[in-house]
Amino acid sequence: DADVTQTPRNRITKTGKRIMLECSQTKGHDRMYWYRQDPGLGLRLIYYSFDVKDINKGEISDGYSVSRQAQAKFSLSLESAIPNQTALYFCATRGGQGSAYGYTFGSGTRLTVV
Amino acid sequence: RKEVEQDPGPFNVPEGATVAFNCTYSNSASQSFFWYRQDCRKEPKLLMSVYSSGNEDGRFTAQLNRASQYISLLIRDSKLSDSATYLCAVNPPLSEGSQGNLIFGKGTKLSVKP
Repeated sequence: DADVTQTPRNRITKTGKRIMLECSQTKGHDRMYWYRQDPGLGLRLIYYSFDVKDINKGEISDGYSVSRQAQAKFSLSLESAIPNQTALYFCATRGGQGSAYGYTFGSGTRLTVV
Repeated sequence: RKEVEQDPGPFNVPEGATVAFNCTYSNSASQSFFWYRQDCRKEPKLLMSVYSSGNEDGRFTAQLNRASQYISLLIRDSKLSDSATYLCAVNPPLSEGSQGNLIFGKGTKLSVKP
């Protein structure tokens, strides 16, 4: 099984619908992140969490919300999806307390809003 | 100056060639550095960390030049399977506006041809 699992892998939804993307990890890491990736724009941070009681906005949090249900689970919600939220979404985790560790990414969710 | 910059490429090289990418960063106090590989529509995968003294992993060599604020990735004897996008990631220091999260470049695309 993958260390960081995202569901669903692909999703097509209609404008205005609420959708939740889920992420779970077996690495025991405290730090979890949600990114979106668009062609030419690179990875952009949506939200991040350093533990269950800690949630922080990233650079593009408008239109999104998150929930850290447990150390291992971090979900991303689009309250009312719009077409410009069509993107590839990645969850990531980071171990350790310092900066020496890189991120481990999930395999991504390809979201299309029509 | 952008926080982390990469030449988007594409770098088109023949099999067996040596190719090098650079990644510049703006915060001179940045603490740790990484190279990721991303295949089309897949998640970024950690290729290697970059250590101050430089480090090598098989055909891959990473170097850090703090004076000029860039990191580099050298690939020797390129293989067709090296074709991918290579992302650099930089860890800025903790500050009022930064939680020390990784900042990613937009990536350099490499295409190795037969």
